Amino acid sequence: QVQLVESGGGLVKPGGSLRLSCAASGFTFSDYYMSWIRQAPGKGLEWVSYISSSGSTIYYADSVKGRFTISRDNAKNSLYLQMNSLRAEDTAVYYCARVVVNLYREGWFDPWGQGTLVTVSS
Amino acid sequence: SYVLTQPPSVSVAPGQTARITCGGNNIGSKSVHWYQQKPGQAPVLVVYDDSDRPSGIPERFSGSNSGNTATLTISRVEAGDEADYYCQVWDSSSDHPGVVFGGGTKLTVL
Repeated sequence: QVQLVESGGGLVKPGGSLRLSCAASGFTFSDYYMSWIRQAPGKGLEWVSYISSSGSTIYYADSVKGRFTISRDNAKNSLYLQMNSLRAEDTAVYYCARVVVNLYREGWFDPWGQGTLVTVSS
Repeated sequence: SYVLTQPPSVSVAPGQTARITCGGNNIGSKSVHWYQQKPGQAPVLVVYDDSDRPSGIPERFSGSNSGNTATLTISRVEAGDEADYYCQVWDSSSDHPGVVFGGGTKLTVL
């Protein structure tokens, strides 16, 4: 079945860096857009970034633009999020999700991984 | 940027119908998707493209979208439906395309 497994979370000091990975299985990874979404403790969902199937189209939320970099390796069925200049407000569970798009190229997320916790604290 | 507004909480007795709204400017012109999130778990898609259900989602879950309001309707509510629910749109209309989530609604089954 379709499965997404995130890894790479942990405790990092403000200003530090972390790289998250998402291993995909059960579907043709190279056919789908992919995305990262985060959720701060006790808060709602916040979209972070998405990347097209080929990697040629990438968008970021304003809150992470210039600090985070999304990438993918279709040969390895993997999605990545390089996070630099981390701040306390980046503390959250980070989910990777497969993007499904309709005829109007509007997308939704299905399924989601189990998430990986990133804590930014001194 | 585009904003989606949800009520923070909705309460309903078992067996009754819960309606969770998602407001946005001319949201009827967009496709709206809904997620259910139970404590400690990842979100799960329950409705996509306004009113379609993924396989495995009970028919009790339905959606509608018109004007400035989209609605997720849960019929014959069960205790297991207690969760947070989020609406989402894909905002490609602006010069800064992205994804927008509503703030979430906590459904309490009395």
